[in-house]
Amino acid sequence: DIQMTQSPSTLSASVGDRVTITCRASQSISRWLAWYQQKPGKAPKLLIYDASTLESGVPSRFSGSGSGTEFTLTISSLQPDDFATYYCQQYNTSPWTFGQGTKVEIK
Amino acid sequence: QVQLQESGPGLVKPSETLSLTCTVSGGSISNHYWSWIRQPPGKGLEWIGYIHYSGSTNYNPSLKSRVTISVDTSKNQFSLKLSSVTAADTAIYYCARSSTSYYMDIWGTGTTVTVSS
Repeated sequence: DIQMTQSPSTLSASVGDRVTITCRASQSISRWLAWYQQKPGKAPKLLIYDASTLESGVPSRFSGSGSGTEFTLTISSLQPDDFATYYCQQYNTSPWTFGQGTKVEIK
Repeated sequence: QVQLQESGPGLVKPSETLSLTCTVSGGSISNHYWSWIRQPPGKGLEWIGYIHYSGSTNYNPSLKSRVTISVDTSKNQFSLKLSSVTAADTAIYYCARSSTSYYMDIWGTGTTVTVSS
């Protein structure tokens, strides 16, 4: 299985901060990577797919980049609604696998 | 607007079979892949497997010996069966829709399944 490793596991930030989350794959996954946001008690929500394509309706402050084994999710200006846990997922090779999650907390 | 809703027992006894159904509303089950994903309490996400509306399936090898996913296009539903459950199968179970690229763009709200006697 392809292992997905996110860093950091927890991130403390303030409203207005620029936030970057990294996701590394144990082998190349080309650009077959998605990012999800999950709030407590809720299902994950798709933010970005194919590494950098913003899902319809997702605010433009979210962006994704990367290819191969290293990817980033950036929130350009953190908003109160963005405090949540973020997961990356690879869909290059079955079984699809997720990172362990990055919790974005209020500083 | 397509919506997914999971249903099934919230409590299953050890060694028995967990059975869940996902009902697709607001759209057709055709032309997509349909996945099950689970999340143990306080932990991350694990993809269980998917079914194409045509009936072809792909399962996570870690669960493959115990998993069956089926589809009923006439009811716009797909289902999960997980046999010989243990406490380690206690989780929130989500159903989700995938495009041909396999990322999951629409998720159900999730249903909690506890394995306990």
